[in-house]
Amino acid sequence: AQSVAQPEDQVNVAEGNPLTVKCTYSVSGNPYLFWYVQYPNRGLQFLLKYITGDNLVKGSYGFEAEFNKSQTSFHLKKPSALVSDSALYFCAVRPYSSASKIIFGSGTRLSIRP
Amino acid sequence: EPEVTQTPSHQVTQMGQEVILRCVPISNHLYFYWYRQILGQKVEFLVSFYNNEISEKSEIFDDQFSVERPDGSNFTLKIRSTKLEDSAMYFCASSAPGVGSNQPQHFGDGTRLSIL
Repeated sequence: AQSVAQPEDQVNVAEGNPLTVKCTYSVSGNPYLFWYVQYPNRGLQFLLKYITGDNLVKGSYGFEAEFNKSQTSFHLKKPSALVSDSALYFCAVRPYSSASKIIFGSGTRLSIRP
Repeated sequence: EPEVTQTPSHQVTQMGQEVILRCVPISNHLYFYWYRQILGQKVEFLVSFYNNEISEKSEIFDDQFSVERPDGSNFTLKIRSTKLEDSAMYFCASSAPGVGSNQPQHFGDGTRLSIL
């Protein structure tokens, strides 16, 4: 079965410290991978994607993510967290076999303390 | 930056009634989607729409659901006879034409549907 796992419900980080939000996936074929962020009472906002090429992709607001094919992971990272980064983060995958469907993880709540 | 807009932000409906959720996708986008998120659960794909027809749908999208693009700007989701379990946040999304299916989907802020 195709799925996305975000093993941490919540991640707590002090402002200025690096952060990592974990994601692993299970799909057949080469996936397209995405990260979205959701602020309170808002929709999902696209952060970054991996399609092909360099394993390290850079996105909005200083976020980046590293694709690791052997570990089937796509962890989201940022070198220095800001309080304004506090939000709900979703990892997502579009199976190569699908023209349109995105499969989302369960989400990780990121909390940055001052 | 152009946005996907959804109306209403909150819809309260009696069980068994029909409900229509409305979306205005980003103007040059050609692919349209509906997702839902039941409280405390994952965001789930419902349906995708391209060239005036459904291109993919999930098992959730049964005969009670339908989608339509009635004019050049709106994209609607209709639930014919609502059930209590239809209560959820419904998100509309759209994506630009591009190579394959690698264009990101841009989401609206959602409509919270409450079935009484």
